[in-house]
Amino acid sequence: AQSVTQPDIHITVSEGASLELRCNYSYGATPYLFWYVQSPGQGLQLLLKYFSGDTLVQGIKGFEAELKRSQSSFNLRKPSVHWSDAAEYFCAVGAPGFQKLVFGTGTRLLVSP
Amino acid sequence: GAGVSQTPSNKVTEKGKYVELRCDPISGHTALYWYRQSLGQGPEFLIYFQGTGAADDSGLPNDRFFAVRPEGSVSTLKIQRTERGDSAVYLCASRGQGNTGELFFGEGSRLTVL
Repeated sequence: AQSVTQPDIHITVSEGASLELRCNYSYGATPYLFWYVQSPGQGLQLLLKYFSGDTLVQGIKGFEAELKRSQSSFNLRKPSVHWSDAAEYFCAVGAPGFQKLVFGTGTRLLVSP
Repeated sequence: GAGVSQTPSNKVTEKGKYVELRCDPISGHTALYWYRQSLGQGPEFLIYFQGTGAADDSGLPNDRFFAVRPEGSVSTLKIQRTERGDSAVYLCASRGQGNTGELFFGEGSRLTVL
């Protein structure tokens, strides 16, 4: 069965600083991988997804993620954080065939001035 | 509408009561999902519909939970004899044709059982 671990419950980053949110997955092969963002009172919004091909994936709002198969990781990065990026970020994994997604417990990003 | 619509946005009920939560997916989306998100947790899978049938209901916690999608569009999640532990945000998502499309989520229905 697939599983996802997001080891950081919350992270505080200064505005303008770089960001990396960690995600580790467990699956027998390379699964489909996703990052979603959830702002207060909002639904989950897809930031980016990996299905196949280039292991560096570009998403919306300046985010990117890199799949490292040797580490079973799919970390989310952004070179310069904006105050509006403060939100909860979820990593998710889906098996090819795409029946359902399994989500991590999330990382809450706080942005300090 | 353009997005996934969920009603009610908030529901407060008493322990032991029956509750229905409704999801109206994006028009034309064949796949529909229900997830539950408890405070401080990630979304937890409940059930997945492909068309009218439940393709995977392995996430339903017990037989008090039931979901239907009779015409392959709107879905209703039904919870009988609610318990305080059922308090959570219930999320609905839909997906279009194919196996690589993203899930589009609604804003959720927050259920509070007193």
